[in-house]
Amino acid sequence: AQKVTQAQTEISVVEKEDVTLDCVYETRDTTYYLFWYKQPPSGELVFLIRRNSFDEQNEISGRYSWNFQKSTSSFNFTITASQVVDSAVYFCALRTMGGTTGTASKLTFGTGTRLQVTL
Amino acid sequence: DADVTQTPRNRITKTGKRIMLECSQTKGHDRMYWYRQDPGLGLQLIYYSFDVKDINKGEISDGYSVSRQAQAKFSLSLESAIPNQTALYFCATSEAGGTGELFFGEGSRLTVL
Repeated sequence: AQKVTQAQTEISVVEKEDVTLDCVYETRDTTYYLFWYKQPPSGELVFLIRRNSFDEQNEISGRYSWNFQKSTSSFNFTITASQVVDSAVYFCALRTMGGTTGTASKLTFGTGTRLQVTL
Repeated sequence: DADVTQTPRNRITKTGKRIMLECSQTKGHDRMYWYRQDPGLGLQLIYYSFDVKDINKGEISDGYSVSRQAQAKFSLSLESAIPNQTALYFCATSEAGGTGELFFGEGSRLTVL
């Protein structure tokens, strides 16, 4: 079975602070993909990043960066110099490549972390 | 226009009524999904379909049914709605054999009184 844990239910920061959202996953498969999605107050789900299990390079995209560590089964997301527009619920998700046809192609989502950025 | 379109976006209904949520996509993807989002529970998979002739139950399929009318259309039905089906529902698509990245619709908020 696969599982994604986002232990931080809510985080509040003041604008310009850095913030890290934690994601810990569980899977027995050696090949898998990890994702982050953003859900702003308007409700839609926006894809942010995909990382496969063979690529542990950290990635930076503007103020966003992702730290993937297989040794600790974590895929953490850091926002540098946070802004009010970053306020949203952020979901981490896992897709494994093994298992029976069909089950391998579903995403398992964490319960999300609500980030509130205030002035 | 959105690549994945859900209708209606908002619906209020009464217990016992039949409700259909519709999803259409222009991405050309074979795979379509229905998820339900409840506060604090993340997204839970209701049903998924890998092609027109393929329908599979997800984690929480009880009380729901689906129909894949065409590659581009996937509808979710609540035969007899109950209040605990009040939630935000998302349709999503993905490529066959791809990396599994989902493309979501804008969501349908359903309230069952």
